[in-house]
Amino acid sequence: KQEVTQIPAALSVPEGENLVLNCSFTDSAIYNLQWFRQDPGKGLTSLLLIQSSQREQTSGRLNASLDKSSGRSTLYIAASQPGDSATYLCAVLYSGGGADGLTFGKGTHLIIQP
Amino acid sequence: DGGITQSPKYLFRKEGQNVTLSCEQNLNHDAMYWYRQDPGQGLRLIYYSQIVNDFQKGDIAEGYSVSREKKESFPLTVTSAQKNPTAFYLCASSIMSQGEAFFGQGTRLTVV
Repeated sequence: KQEVTQIPAALSVPEGENLVLNCSFTDSAIYNLQWFRQDPGKGLTSLLLIQSSQREQTSGRLNASLDKSSGRSTLYIAASQPGDSATYLCAVLYSGGGADGLTFGKGTHLIIQP
Repeated sequence: DGGITQSPKYLFRKEGQNVTLSCEQNLNHDAMYWYRQDPGQGLRLIYYSQIVNDFQKGDIAEGYSVSREKKESFPLTVTSAQKNPTAFYLCASSIMSQGEAFFGQGTRLTVV
């Protein structure tokens, strides 16, 4: 069974710090990996999509990397702001057999202290 | 304004009732999905559809049913057979099954 693990489960840092969120997955046969942000009681907002052939993607202060061989992805947030406080979810789309749809980690709950 | 619209935002169900959650998208996406989110767990796939008039069961389809009569609509019915329906339900779509997924704002279902 494919599994996605996110570490840490929760993180609290002062405003202005750079930080890294980690995601690992058990099967390297993936189509893509997607990072999402979820605010309390809300839906998911797509942040970055990395295709299996790519090594990283950048959007503003966010940079996501992908290492398929080791089954790892990181989300780097530069110069963190209180508005970055949210839960960050990593999801993998596997290319193996079985149902389509993303396999999600449980998320990292991030708090940026003003 | 393109996007995915889920309604209602909050829904209350009595024991033994069937309820239907609406999901509409105007992104012209072929693939649509329903996920369930419970506290402390990752999102889990209920059903997905890659094309009109076709849909497949996900990991936790028991007690749920769907239809895909139109490209833009993918309603989810939570039947009385679903024994623990209280959860946050999220609908998503993508241009194709391997594309970037976009989500609606969710429906919170509570059994009363």
